[in-house]
Amino acid sequence: ETAVFQTPNYHVTQVGNEVSFNCKQTLGHDTMYWYKQDSKKLLKIMFSYNNKQLIVNETVPRRFSPQSSDKAHLNLRIKSVEPEDSAVYLCASSSTGGDYEQYFGPGTRLTVL
Amino acid sequence: GDSVTQTEGLVTVTEGLPVKLNCTYQTTYLTIAFFWYVQYLNEAPQVLLRSSTDNKRTEHQGFHATLHKSSSSFHLQKSSAQLSDSALYYCALSDPGGYKLTFGTGTSLLVDP
Repeated sequence: ETAVFQTPNYHVTQVGNEVSFNCKQTLGHDTMYWYKQDSKKLLKIMFSYNNKQLIVNETVPRRFSPQSSDKAHLNLRIKSVEPEDSAVYLCASSSTGGDYEQYFGPGTRLTVL
Repeated sequence: GDSVTQTEGLVTVTEGLPVKLNCTYQTTYLTIAFFWYVQYLNEAPQVLLRSSTDNKRTEHQGFHATLHKSSSSFHLQKSSAQLSDSALYYCALSDPGGYKLTFGTGTSLLVDP
């Protein structure tokens, strides 16, 4: 099956803990993204990677750090989570040089207590 | 920076009647790609329509939109709404490199029987 996969589906944690989310795509794309969808359903880009290189780094707190081991994998680590980090984190991928259509994964819902 | 405006947070329409969701934008890019994404409940956003050609109508699944650069608009329309169209709709524009999508705030479409 070709798609964008994310783990875990849900994560509940306490303020100050560290969390990590994983994303894998089997679409053969060369660009991957992290988006944050908040409780009001606002959808905003956080990071994008092209062939393991960071291309876009929006105004995101320094406790967020993405990591890409290869063009098919993109992880997101949050050190010392805060209540405002509660959201759905969506991973997406696309093929540059194509039509720029981005394919989204199902998301990881983070709840910070 | 770029911005996408969706003026309606919620649109309610009776099944079988036409529907229009508004989208306007501001950008300094000359070459741009526009999208309508649809997100059904508890699912990932997925592309509904795409366009980068001025004044050309694009259609998919009964929906249509035309990019009008003169008025900076990319409104979404359907002649006959279906119950299954109930979802959250996002208008988005891509930077020229395809590394970042800027989303509008989203419009929830509710189709009543």
